[in-house]
Parts: sequence; C-alpha cells; structure tokens
Amino acid sequence: GGIITQTPKFLIGQEGQKLTLKCQQNFNHDTMYWYRQDSGKGLRLIYYSITENDLQKGDLSEGYDASREKKSSFSLTVTSAQKNEMAVFLCASRGTVNQDTQYFGPGTRLLVL
Amino acid sequence: GDSVTQTEGPVTLSEGTSLTVNCSYETKQYPTLFWYVQYPGEGPQLLFKVPKANEKGSNRGFEATYNKEATSFHLQKASVQESDSAVYYCALTGTGGYKVVFGSGTRLLVSP
Repeated sequence: GGIITQTPKFLIGQEGQKLTLKCQQNFNHDTMYWYRQDSGKGLRLIYYSITENDLQKGDLSEGYDASREKKSSFSLTVTSAQKNEMAVFLCASRGTVNQDTQYFGPGTRLLVL
Repeated sequence: GDSVTQTEGPVTLSEGTSLTVNCSYETKQYPTLFWYVQYPGEGPQLLFKVPKANEKGSNRGFEATYNKEATSFHLQKASVQESDSAVYYCALTGTGGYKVVFGSGTRLLVSP
C-alpha cells in the first residue's frame, strides 16, 4: 500500500498572492495529477505529469503552474489568487499495475480573502 | 470531447431503501468506467471499475453494469445504510489514456 500526502491541509491567501500546494506519494507511481473540486462541478483537471519532469495541461490550466522535480512529488502554484475564491485541490497518482485506477490525497482547502 | 452526466443531488433516502444514481457517458473511445466515492474530508476512492462492455462491477453491495448500447453505467444498491452517505462520482478513461473524465458528483444523504 501507499499514501498521498498533501500540504498544507488549509490555505488562506490574499488576492493577487502566489500560492504553492505540494503533493507527495510513496506508491512509486509514474503519473500524477492535480484537480480542482468546486461544489456541484465535480473534479476538473488542472495539470498532469506522466513522468518526472513531464508536464501536461488539463482543461483548467490557466492561472496555474506546476512542477514535477522528482517522481514522488508534484507541486501546483496558483499564480495570482482571485478574491473570494474557495475550492479544494486534489492530488492523485496512478501506476502501471491497475494502471487506470487513480489514488487520491485528502486535498488542500483554499480560501482567498 | 468525452463527457459524463450523472444524477444531480442531493439524493435523500431512509436506511433500508434502494438507491439508483444514473450515469450516462459520451466518448468515441472504448472506455473503462468507474464509480468513485468521497467521504467528508477525504479524497475520492475507487468503489469499483469495469473495463469491458456488458460486464458488471460491484463492491460493498453497490453494483453497476457497463451498458455500451445505452452508454450508461447506473449505480445501484438494494438497501442503503447511513454509512453510505457520501458523494459518488461516475468517471471514464479511454484505453491507454491518461485523462479521467469525472461527472459532477451526486451527494447521497441517508437518514436512520
């Protein structure tokens, strides 16, 4: 088994601020994902990474940057936080065994004042 | 592009009653279909998946049949419990693809 750790658990930011969310996995999975979860809108893909140093844009990449410096970690940066923004950011990973199943972290809850 | 449409929530049921959450999908690929469940404060976790058309998946009393002709994958449970209260997501991924497309989620509330 393995685990996905997301830090921080809660993030309060100011309008215009650059904010970074971190994700670590110990599954030794190749592929990692960042999703944004808004109430009533399901999960929307922001970025994914097939392997170390790879980055692929999802449907919601505008306003975000991502970084995959090593296999076990995947960071997401909100480049300029929007006032009154409130969402949960979920990190996930997927390996080669059961390769279509994603494993999710507990999420980072963002609130922008 | 690919899409998934599911029952809008919340769905409110009493313990012991039956559940159906509708899921319809659109894709030009040969997808694997999933149901994920998300409990409060946690990330989604796989409930079950079905990679082949006309087969059924099941777990913890939940089941769904991959109906290729109707492009549907409806979630059912004969008798729900309070502990089933959660958000349920229908999803699909194409063969060999990396992207997973999720429905908007259905919140289930079960009262004792």
